[in-house]
Amino acid sequence: DAGVIQSPRHEVTEMGQEVTLRCKPISGHNSLFWYRQTMMRGLELLIYFNNNVPIDDSGMPEDRFSAKMPNASFSTLKIQPSEPRDSAVYFCASSIQAGGPHEQYFGPGTRLTVT
Amino acid sequence: SQQGEEDPQALSIQEGENATMNCSYKTSINNLQWYRQNSGRGLVHLILIRSNEREKHSGRLRVTLDTSKKSSSLLITASRAADTASYFCATDDAGNMLTFGGGTRLMVKP
Repeated sequence: DAGVIQSPRHEVTEMGQEVTLRCKPISGHNSLFWYRQTMMRGLELLIYFNNNVPIDDSGMPEDRFSAKMPNASFSTLKIQPSEPRDSAVYFCASSIQAGGPHEQYFGPGTRLTVT
Repeated sequence: SQQGEEDPQALSIQEGENATMNCSYKTSINNLQWYRQNSGRGLVHLILIRSNEREKHSGRLRVTLDTSKKSSSLLITASRAADTASYFCATDDAGNMLTFGGGTRLMVKP
């Protein structure tokens, strides 16, 4: 099992540019989560999908952030336009939602630096 | 806002000693989970304890849960240098989302 795959692992971009982060969840998992981690704010849930449908996006900071899950094996998180305060590590996680307690499997993260 | 708050924020011990980390939360939960994060890596699930359980063991890990006090503890016995990491508690309110605390940074000195 390859685990959750994220790309790119590192991204450096200039303020105002569009940034797209990608995630491939573990095969068979039906829930996908996007988190952001910073020293100041810790680990924050941005959005989560269940069966490819966005369920809760209340953590998305503002309209500059958008996320899609066109199929069960792929999701993107887009920031347009990017700002220096978006600099953080972005994690994708997946899990199996089957009515019982579930653990989440995290990807290695994408470290985003916006200059 | 964070549901779980870990205590202490940082802990430094010698190899072989036990490490205890605490987590407090605010609302009713379905279960509580502990995760480890090595520097520069994603979080890794360690152990899950359900709301109707009081204690759970997994290898050198022991987790307790006191729902009346809304608190949990993670004990790592006979610590090793490889246990150096950040440890997070996460609460599941049965809404399919986890809410993570701020973490405890554990350093185990060889």
